[in-house]
Amino acid sequence: AQSVAQPEDQVNVAEGNPLTVKCTYSVSGNPYLFWYVQYPNRGLQFLLKYITGDNLVKGSYGFEAEFNKSQTSFHLKKPSALVSDSALYFCAVRDTNAGKSTFGDGTTLTVKP
Amino acid sequence: KAGVTQTPRYLIKTRGQQVTLSCSPISGHRSVSWYQQTPGQGLQFLFEYFSETQRNKGNFPGRFSGRQFSNSRSEMNVSTLELGDSALYLCASNPGIMNTEAFFGQGTRLTVV
Repeated sequence: AQSVAQPEDQVNVAEGNPLTVKCTYSVSGNPYLFWYVQYPNRGLQFLLKYITGDNLVKGSYGFEAEFNKSQTSFHLKKPSALVSDSALYFCAVRDTNAGKSTFGDGTTLTVKP
Repeated sequence: KAGVTQTPRYLIKTRGQQVTLSCSPISGHRSVSWYQQTPGQGLQFLFEYFSETQRNKGNFPGRFSGRQFSNSRSEMNVSTLELGDSALYLCASNPGIMNTEAFFGQGTRLTVV
């Protein structure tokens, strides 16, 4: 069975500071990894994904994530946070041998001015 | 290209009633997945349809069912509604290829009273 853990329910950072939202995963095969963001009363929006190749992937709005196979992690990062980055972030994994995606419980990011 | 459309956006039902939610995927997308989002349980996978066939199913009781039509539009039905079914129901579409991200609708907010 595949699973995703987002160990922090809440992350608070000051505007202009770097941010990290953590994600670890477990799959039986090779993983496809995704990050999504959700604003209030909206559906999820895709940010970035890791499929294969370079471990550092870049996505929308200046976000990036690093795939670490040995630590089974896929942490989301941004060098300089904006107040508008405040939202709920979800990490998701899909086993290349399975169809469905499994989502983490989400991390609420709050960026304060 | 039009996005994923879910109807209705908001719904209030009484315990014991049944409800049908609709999802129109992005044109050309053959896979539709449904998720239940609640504050306490996060994002829970309900089922996935691909070319009118249920390809994956989550751990929900039989009161939750779905189907997909030949034009890829999907419906989900919940019978004998319970208070605990109150949630945001999200639909996601993708082309049906494993390494592609999901495109989410804005969701249907179901309140059971």
